[in-house]
Amino acid sequence: DVKVTQSSRYLVKRTGEKVFLECVQDMDHENMFWYRQDPGLGLRLIYFSYDVKMKEKGDIPEGYSVSREKKERFSLILESASTNQTSMYLCASSLVWARGTGELFFGEGSRLTVL
Amino acid sequence: DAKTTQPTSMDCAEGRAANLPCNHSTISGNEYVYWYRQIHSQGPQYIIHGLKNNETNEMASLIITEDRKSSTLILPHATLRDTAVYYCMINAGNNRKLIWGLGTSLAVNP
Repeated sequence: DVKVTQSSRYLVKRTGEKVFLECVQDMDHENMFWYRQDPGLGLRLIYFSYDVKMKEKGDIPEGYSVSREKKERFSLILESASTNQTSMYLCASSLVWARGTGELFFGEGSRLTVL
Repeated sequence: DAKTTQPTSMDCAEGRAANLPCNHSTISGNEYVYWYRQIHSQGPQYIIHGLKNNETNEMASLIITEDRKSSTLILPHATLRDTAVYYCMINAGNNRKLIWGLGTSLAVNP
């Protein structure tokens, strides 16, 4: 069964802390995504990676960075967490378009609370 | 840029068909329509997608209007487990630009 695993379902951090959210996929997918999901705002793309060490900014990259050193792992980093980064964070992966239908496979999400 | 608009919420009786609309009047010719659903406390799950023709799979049917400005996801016999938020999404075909709607919260009632 295909799987996208996010390291933590629930995290509580303090303002100013550095936060790492880890995501691992076991499907040999080239594309990986980080979204945040907030009530009334839907899914908003933070960063997208189409290959190892390759990344593109999404719609709301400010305050975030990412790392993709291995194909299966895509990390989201909050350098200095702020209360407005309290949210649900969703990781997803997909094949490149030419190799499949392009459907995204999502992890179960990481709910981050910044106090 | 394409944009998707969905009703905020809908109700459906168990066993009846659930018809969830999505408006994407600014869609371009090479952009696909995708549908996902999200059950509480889980990540979204892919349901179906299409370009021009109607599509059907074991989960649902997708009806796309001839002008492609809107589509309808049909769950033919809704069950209580279909209670979820359903998202319409436009994909330019390379996963580089994905336009998500805000979702329709479907409540299937006994």
